[in-house]
Amino acid sequence: QVLLVQSGAEVKKPGASVKVSCKASGYSFTSYAINWVRQAPGQRLEWMGWLNVFNGNTKYSQNFQGRVTITRDTSASTAYMELSSLRSEDTAVYYCAAEGNAFDHWGQGTLVTVSS
Amino acid sequence: SYELTQPPSVSVAPGKTARITCGGNDIGSKSVHWYQQKPGQAPMLVIYYDNDRPSGIPERFSGSNSGNTATLSISRVEAGDEADYYCQVWDSASDHRVFGAGTKLTVL
Repeated sequence: QVLLVQSGAEVKKPGASVKVSCKASGYSFTSYAINWVRQAPGQRLEWMGWLNVFNGNTKYSQNFQGRVTITRDTSASTAYMELSSLRSEDTAVYYCAAEGNAFDHWGQGTLVTVSS
Repeated sequence: SYELTQPPSVSVAPGKTARITCGGNDIGSKSVHWYQQKPGQAPMLVIYYDNDRPSGIPERFSGSNSGNTATLSISRVEAGDEADYYCQVWDSASDHRVFGAGTKLTVL
């Protein structure tokens, strides 16, 4: 079955960067686009960006433009999301989601805490 | 940017039908997807392309979409349906994916 396994929780200081990984299994990695979605504590889901896994093309939310980079390593069936210039408001659970018909499959989430 | 409007909360008695709305400008021309999220868990797709169900989702879950409102309906509501529900679309104008603010479904 399709499985997306994300890297573990991170604690970062303001101004630092974080890179979260999302390892896919159970399907051909290039068959689904990968999206990244975050959720601050008690808040709504927020779309961050999209990756065409086949050709590497990306699209980012204007809310994160310039701070977020989504990449992939097809040999490792893994997608990555890097967020820079972290601030306390970036404390959230970050999810990867494989997009076929919709966000069909989700990773378990990675808690990123930004604190001095 | 395209915006989706959901009621913050909906309450329903067990066995009744819950209806959760998602409003947006001419949303009927877009494909709407719905996700269920229980506390501490990742979201799960329950309806895609307005009214299709992924395998494993009960027939009690259905959707509709017309004009400026899409609706997720859950018939014969059970205690286990209590969760947050989010609608989502792809906005072709911006090539962005957009989520609604979410609706908390409470089973009385």
